[in-house]
Amino acid sequence: EVQLVESGGGLVQPGRSLRLSCTASGFTFGDYAMSWVRQAPGKGLEWVGFIRSKAYGGTTEYAASVKGRFTISRDDSKSIAYLQMNSLKTEDTAVYYCTRDRLITMVRGVTNFYYYYMDVWGKGTTVTVSS
Amino acid sequence: EIVLTQSPATLSLSPGERATLSCGASQSVSSSYLAWYQQKPGLAPRLLIYDASSRATGIPDRFSGSGSGTDFTLTISRLEPEDFAVYYCQQYGSSPRTFGQGTKVEIK
Repeated sequence: EVQLVESGGGLVQPGRSLRLSCTASGFTFGDYAMSWVRQAPGKGLEWVGFIRSKAYGGTTEYAASVKGRFTISRDDSKSIAYLQMNSLKTEDTAVYYCTRDRLITMVRGVTNFYYYYMDVWGKGTTVTVSS
Repeated sequence: EIVLTQSPATLSLSPGERATLSCGASQSVSSSYLAWYQQKPGLAPRLLIYDASSRATGIPDRFSGSGSGTDFTLTISRLEPEDFAVYYCQQYGSSPRTFGQGTKVEIK
């Protein structure tokens, strides 16, 4: 069974740091890109960022709201993706979901373009930023 | 950034009725790279539709997606009791990926 389990959430003061983990099972973790999505209390979904698989460079992209403060990394030997959150703000309070990304390759001429959609979601972990 | 606007915000229907949810994009979504997710209270979202019209694994055929460019639709042909939930559209054709604000389908 494909499964994603987030951990590491909790109560943290503004300005402090927190690291979330996403442990995967049931699939070859290293073959997939992974994303983080968050949901503030009573609000909609916000994509936070993602990390490509090593085969596609292992590079990352982030939403403007977290760029420079959050870092996504991965340990393929442990099947874990991480979200390092620094300089936390009260508006970062949310449930944080980890997702598996499915790759679509579009060929246009001689160039490949890559797109990702989120097909498997974890149950989420709650982060509360408050003094 | 592509802004997605979903309508209506709330849809009040009875079981057995047809639900039509709309998602409009502020600019054309590349290659119809649009997904729909269902979320029930206290649970994680679940992928229903990707590439605007492809059903995800295990999704009943009463769920269908259509559209291209800037206008997309999720249709639930006959509402079952378990379909009352919030539905989000999301585009992945350009970065950053963005979500609509959601449509709540509630029991009338």
